[in-house]
Amino acid sequence: DVKVTQSSRYLVKRTGEKVFLECVQDMDHENMFWYRQDPGLGLRLIYFSYDVKMKEKGDIPEGYSVSREKKERFSLILESASTNQTSMYLCASSLHTGAGGYTFGSGTRLTVV
Amino acid sequence: GQNIDQPTEMTATEGAIVQINCTYQTSGFNGLFWYQQHAGEAPTFLSYNVLDGLEEKGRFSSFLSRSKGYSYLLLKELQMKDSASYLCQGAGNMLTFGGGTRLMVKP
Repeated sequence: DVKVTQSSRYLVKRTGEKVFLECVQDMDHENMFWYRQDPGLGLRLIYFSYDVKMKEKGDIPEGYSVSREKKERFSLILESASTNQTSMYLCASSLHTGAGGYTFGSGTRLTVV
Repeated sequence: GQNIDQPTEMTATEGAIVQINCTYQTSGFNGLFWYQQHAGEAPTFLSYNVLDGLEEKGRFSSFLSRSKGYSYLLLKELQMKDSASYLCQGAGNMLTFGGGTRLMVKP
């Protein structure tokens, strides 16, 4: 009964590598989001998308990009991973803009060494 | 933009009632969400308030006052499994989360 699936639970990458984090939802939701969560800083919005091929910057987009070629898939890309991008990354989706709760994926704990 | 504040930590006793507050300043406000997050897991949706008043769901209730920019989550008959972080989130132009309140339930 999994609704939002993130491709990896744990990931270790080297500094400078290009990293892809994948997220797929099977609820036909319009909206998808990428957050990172760090102790003491809470959840911070990186990017979001309200439609296919559409993307909007969140609060902390620097060093990241996203891709939404299909409605069900929203990918987060770290162009050149750095140690300060070590974090828990959470993908979420919601049905309508500004309403309805998010459904979160189980998260990807990324460590950049 | 949005600014959402909630206490960092709270402690309560099993069987008791606890109220977790959330205050916000926001433009384009379109409701407020509450989530529960256990350690190492993803947040799960608890409630959504868009109108003033109290919404009750079993042991959990959520209250909203739009004029005061204030919400709270009320947990009754606390159980040990309620130990978790509770996140409030504003819905509107930018979907911002508060920093989360870590609740510890003690026997």
